[in-house]
Amino acid sequence: QQQVKQSPQSLIVQKGGISIINCAYENTAFDYFPWYQQFPGKGPALLIAIRPDVSEKKEGRFTISFNKSAKQFSLHIMDSQPGDSATYFCAASREGPFTGGGNKLTFGTGTQLKVEL
Amino acid sequence: EPEVTQTPSHQVTQMGQEVILRCVPISNHLYFYWYRQILGQKVEFLVSFYNNEISEKSEIFDDQFSVERPDGSNFTLKIRSTKLEDSAMYFCASRLDRTGANSPLHFGNGTRLTVT
Repeated sequence: QQQVKQSPQSLIVQKGGISIINCAYENTAFDYFPWYQQFPGKGPALLIAIRPDVSEKKEGRFTISFNKSAKQFSLHIMDSQPGDSATYFCAASREGPFTGGGNKLTFGTGTQLKVEL
Repeated sequence: EPEVTQTPSHQVTQMGQEVILRCVPISNHLYFYWYRQILGQKVEFLVSFYNNEISEKSEIFDDQFSVERPDGSNFTLKIRSTKLEDSAMYFCASRLDRTGANSPLHFGNGTRLTVT
C-alpha cells in the first residue's frame, strides 16, 4: 500500500516536444506529491510539487496534473530541451496531522528522459 | 544557495568492515534523513531524525545501522558490519520544517558506497 508506481521507465522525446511521465499511488493518506529531477552523480532536486486540493500546478514549462479519484498524477514537460535530459522521480508522503513520523518520501522507480535534437 | 554536503563522495570498503558516512545539513534545518539508491533503482527511505532522536526508520534500517548528530553541524550514518548488498548511493537530506509543502527536502550529492 506504500508503493508509488511510475511509468515509463525510459522516454525519448524530440526537442520542443512534450514529455509526459505518469505515477499512481495506493495509499489514500498521501497528501503531498513532489517530482524530483536527478542528473548523473547528483542528488535528487525538487522540481515541482502539488497538494491534492488542486488538480493542476504549473511552474514554467513544468506542469503536474493530479487526479485524486484515480490516485494518479503526472508530470508534463512542455517544449522539452536537451538540458531536461535526466532521471525524474515522482514521490509521495503523508504530511497531515503530526503522528510522530518524519514524513518520509516514498519514491517511484524513476524515468530516464532523453531529449534529442 | 545553501547545500547539503556529503563526504566522502566514494567509499570502498571490505565486507564486514564498519563505515561512517558524513553529512553536513543546511545550517538552520531541523529534520534530517538518510535515503539510499541501489544502482539503477529507486530512492529508498532509511531513517529520519529530529530533536536528537530517530523519528522513523524503515525495515532496511536494522541494528547494523545507526545515526548520530555528534555536534551542531554533522549528521552521520554508521554501518557496523557492511554486507555486499549495502553497496549503494547513500543520500543525506534535510529540511527546515516537517512538511514538504512549506519546506522542501534538500538532498546532498551522495556517497557511493562499494562493498567488496
